[in-house]
Amino acid sequence: DAGITQSPRHKVTETGTPVTLRCHQTENHRYMYWYRQDPGHGLRLIHYSYGVKDTDKGEVSDGYSVSRSKTEDFLLTLESATSSQTSVYFCATQGAGEQYFGPGTRLTVT
Amino acid sequence: DAKTTQPTSMDCAEGRAANLPCNHSTISGNEYVYWYRQIHSQGPQYIIHGLKNNETNEMASLIITEDRKSSTLILPHATLRDTAVYYCIVRGYEWDSNYQLIWGAGTKLIIKP
Repeated sequence: DAGITQSPRHKVTETGTPVTLRCHQTENHRYMYWYRQDPGHGLRLIHYSYGVKDTDKGEVSDGYSVSRSKTEDFLLTLESATSSQTSVYFCATQGAGEQYFGPGTRLTVT
Repeated sequence: DAKTTQPTSMDCAEGRAANLPCNHSTISGNEYVYWYRQIHSQGPQYIIHGLKNNETNEMASLIITEDRKSSTLILPHATLRDTAVYYCIVRGYEWDSNYQLIWGAGTKLIIKP
């Protein structure tokens, strides 16, 4: 498996506070992705990156921003967290043909 | 990308072969069939992929029909650890290109002792 770590693994925060999730990879993969997964649903793409400082929106990008200042790190920021952003967040990288996923971050917004 | 249709859930006895079907009738000529699985609360795990020929690796076999409109993932000797949600996804493939995977609800496979 690709070396993908996510931090924090669990977080509880209050509505209106900013939150940043970190994804770190050791495989030097060019493409990185942030997904969210809600109960009973498949993964939905939030944002992705195709290189340092190169990012683009996915299907559900409203309320989220991302940054990638180094190949190995991809940050997801919720500028002002809302209860609808309570979810499990997965980071992924693109290898030769398949995507590799991190262990996920469970975020609860109260 | 083409959409896929999978059964919501399936059961299989431990030690038997688990056969998971997937329909992808609108698949185009340059799209591959990918299978991932997600064990409870973990990140999805890549299993196998193929274009038109049958494929086998240490985890599973992938059988794609001649018209490519459907496929079957086979876990030859299912164990309790294979209990997971299995996702069938079709997408194009070009080296070093972006792929936005479209995830459906998948098939919940339960392996019973």
